[in-house]
Amino acid sequence: DTAVSQTPKYLVTQMGNDKSIKCEQNLGHDTMYWYKQDSKKFLKIMFSYNNKELIINETVPNRFSPKSPDKAHLNLHINSLELGDSAVYFCASSSNYEQYFGPGTRLTVT
Amino acid sequence: AQSVSQHNHHVILSEAASLELGCNYSYGGTVNLFWYVQYPGQHLQLLLKYFSGDPLVKGIKGFEAEFIKSKFSFNLRKPSVQWSDTAEYFCAVTATSGTYKYIFGTGTRLKVLA
Repeated sequence: DTAVSQTPKYLVTQMGNDKSIKCEQNLGHDTMYWYKQDSKKFLKIMFSYNNKELIINETVPNRFSPKSPDKAHLNLHINSLELGDSAVYFCASSSNYEQYFGPGTRLTVT
Repeated sequence: AQSVSQHNHHVILSEAASLELGCNYSYGGTVNLFWYVQYPGQHLQLLLKYFSGDPLVKGIKGFEAEFIKSKFSFNLRKPSVQWSDTAEYFCAVTATSGTYKYIFGTGTRLKVLA
């Protein structure tokens, strides 16, 4: 059984488009995260939700909007995509300070 | 400012060589410490963690790490690496309470030559 799943796995789109990435966890965790991993593998936290409530919002452009319809899901919507948004986006869920990562979504903006 | 430094960005070793990857952190208060591994094309997986107690912690696949509080360090070690250990290794820190924020290091790319 997949613990943390993300869709899609790959996303290729043009500048200016709007796209969404979905994340689901079946671990029963209360806390979920979005991370961005750039081409140099640097991993940076973007958002975190605890029980559907936004608790961490790092200095991310407001073109990025997370949504948590329930504690098992955390989606990421990106408006007006830019070249610099190209990266791998990882969703994670957390319990007892351990993080469980999804497989990642490789976003390529052309 | 909260930060995690991994001094070795790229490490190349031959099989059976010993490994030590450095990790230093700057974080107010008591911390939880982690090492995660990312195999090529895969997601991050927990290798080992330190919450409290014995500062020498053992993880999966023969890895261990030692927490030295006075040096703000949590170095990762393995006595004999294998080709399958080729991966990116990330050190991470979070506070023991009051926050859900993780700070990750920049990663160390390990290549093990067969």
